[in-house]
Amino acid sequence: DAGVIQSPRHEVTEMGQEVTLRCKPISGHNSLFWYRQTMMRGLELLIYFNNNVPIDDSGMPEDRFSAKMPNASFSTLKIQPSEPRDSAVYFCASTPGHPLSSGNTIYFGEGSWLTVV
Amino acid sequence: GENVEQHPSTLSVQEGDSAVIKCTYSDSASNYFPWYKQELGKRPQLIIDIRSNVGEKKDQRIAVTLNKTAKHFSLHITETQPEDSAVYFCAASTGYSSASKIIFGSGTRLSIRP
Repeated sequence: DAGVIQSPRHEVTEMGQEVTLRCKPISGHNSLFWYRQTMMRGLELLIYFNNNVPIDDSGMPEDRFSAKMPNASFSTLKIQPSEPRDSAVYFCASTPGHPLSSGNTIYFGEGSWLTVV
Repeated sequence: GENVEQHPSTLSVQEGDSAVIKCTYSDSASNYFPWYKQELGKRPQLIIDIRSNVGEKKDQRIAVTLNKTAKHFSLHITETQPEDSAVYFCAASTGYSSASKIIFGSGTRLSIRP
């Protein structure tokens, strides 16, 4: 398997622009997570889905952030409008979610490095 | 909700010496505790994990211990090598539910001095 695939890998955008980050989880995994990583705050859980349904979005910082998972193989994280403080690495991750296999081992994508200027 | 605290935030050890990183968690229902290593510019990757029915687990130079009563767990790296330099994250999860979430500690930047 190719692992969790994220795009774009790097994006530089101007303040006020819309940003869309994309993720393809590992095939067969039924839980998907979006994390944000910064030096100051470490790895923050923004939202996670189980079987395409958002379970907990309490980590989403504000209404400018939204996430969707229209099917089992695709998710998006959107920021509109973007601000300089949104600059961070955004990781998508997935887990198989089956207790009798590898448990909740979380597999990360390579991250989307976002810079808002 | 779960809160995971990790110490120290930075750690420098001489090559060949041991390194210990400690974490505490708040939710007594947590029963799965993975550790991740993140090299500069790369994604976090699982290096070892432990479940609540086990007190200690070893994998070559890496070991993890868990004290459920005190709600803390630790990562031990022996005979450290330059390639051990990275940021290490502990995490806690309620584990067996497919809908559970994984909360990470703030990370420890480990540097190995030659």
